[in-house]
Amino acid sequence: DTAVSQTPKYLVTQMGNDKSIKCEQNLGHDTMYWYKQDSKKFLKIMFSYNNKELIINETVPNRFSPKSPDKAHLNLHINSLELGDSAVYFCASSLGLADSGNTIYFGEGSWLTVV
Amino acid sequence: GQNIDQPTEMTATEGAIVQINCTYQTSGFNGLFWYQQHAGEAPTFLSYNVLDGLEEKGRFSSFLSRSKGYSYLLLKELQMKDSASYLCAVLDSNYQLIWGAGTKLIIKP
Repeated sequence: DTAVSQTPKYLVTQMGNDKSIKCEQNLGHDTMYWYKQDSKKFLKIMFSYNNKELIINETVPNRFSPKSPDKAHLNLHINSLELGDSAVYFCASSLGLADSGNTIYFGEGSWLTVV
Repeated sequence: GQNIDQPTEMTATEGAIVQINCTYQTSGFNGLFWYQQHAGEAPTFLSYNVLDGLEEKGRFSSFLSRSKGYSYLLLKELQMKDSASYLCAVLDSNYQLIWGAGTKLIIKP
């Protein structure tokens, strides 16, 4: 059983389109995250939700909007896609906030290519 | 600003020992993580240090010196499957994880 699963794994789309990436975790964790890993391999936090409430919202364009229907799901919607949005997007979860050594479990990543 | 530094790439021989260093400058410190990431895959947890000293876990050990803002990951008895990127990440005073760019480790037979 996959602990953190995200779909789709690969996504190629044209500039200007709107797309969504879904994420689900079956670990019973309270906290979920979206990370972006760019071409230089830096992992950058985008959003963090704790019990369905937004707790971290880094400086990302308004075109990116997370939605958490319940604490097991955190979906990422991207409007008006731009070439610079091409990256790998990782969903992740942890038991609580990433303190006291709570391990973060990552999904397999979604490779987004905007053409 | 917040900064995590680690070498971009390292090469080692199968069966040998390699040490991957990480230095950090962050606003506060609440622990340091090491993650392994194989090409095309998600990062996976290796270790967590919050107190100074060495934590050993099988072939992998992680060391932390908070006064020096320094950590290293030590890999012993290297195997080909250890070829991967190793990411250092620091939990700052706001409990946000600051990630390094990772060290690509290449293992040669």
